[in-house]
Amino acid sequence: GAVVSQHPSRVICKSGTSVKIECRSLDFQATTMFWYRQFPKQSLMLMATSNEGSKATYEQGVEKDKFLINHASLTLSTLTVTSAHPEDSSFYICSASVPGRQANTEAFFGQGTRLTVV
Amino acid sequence: GDSVTQMEGPVTLSEEAFLTINCTYTATGYPSLFWYVQYPGEGLQLLLKATKADDKGSNKGFEATYRKETTSFHLEKGSVQVSDSAVYFCALSKAAGNKLTFGGGTRVLVKP
Repeated sequence: GAVVSQHPSRVICKSGTSVKIECRSLDFQATTMFWYRQFPKQSLMLMATSNEGSKATYEQGVEKDKFLINHASLTLSTLTVTSAHPEDSSFYICSASVPGRQANTEAFFGQGTRLTVV
Repeated sequence: GDSVTQMEGPVTLSEEAFLTINCTYTATGYPSLFWYVQYPGEGLQLLLKATKADDKGSNKGFEATYRKETTSFHLEKGSVQVSDSAVYFCALSKAAGNKLTFGGGTRVLVKP
């Protein structure tokens, strides 16, 4: 299957700083990637759809100025948590699909990033 | 909007026990249905999928059948192992590019 790599896997940062998380499709080009957030013992909630070469589409309730998404190339999307606070501590995970496939094909997930804001 | 509901955990079983995790969905049209598994400290992996009514997905001893009449996609395994301890997510997708709607996840703990 296709490989999606996410980095870093864990990060601890101080309150008020910004953190960048990278999501790369290693063996295919992804025009669309998705960013999810997972709260402890809860499900994954879609945050935004990252579109190569255009602005991301954010889900209702997600602050776009807080969670900056840049999809600068066909293999890389980044999520930057700006001015992080402890409530932003969470597990963030990205996914991508091989373009041109239908909705019934597999989404490939990165390994996820555990963000802890202290 | 679309939604997925799955049984809450945690589910604690002994090795070789039978596992069932219920999943029902609400969606317009004809979604594809998935089960993803998340092992401790890892990301999500596709476990199985079904793309149309009456399809049965299967993998690693797990099975699930797409039941349109009951809008369900229950996951079953006849004999679980300790290595099956994980969180299981039921999900659906309708959009190209695979934006997924997830259920709440069910944590399964298999004891030796």
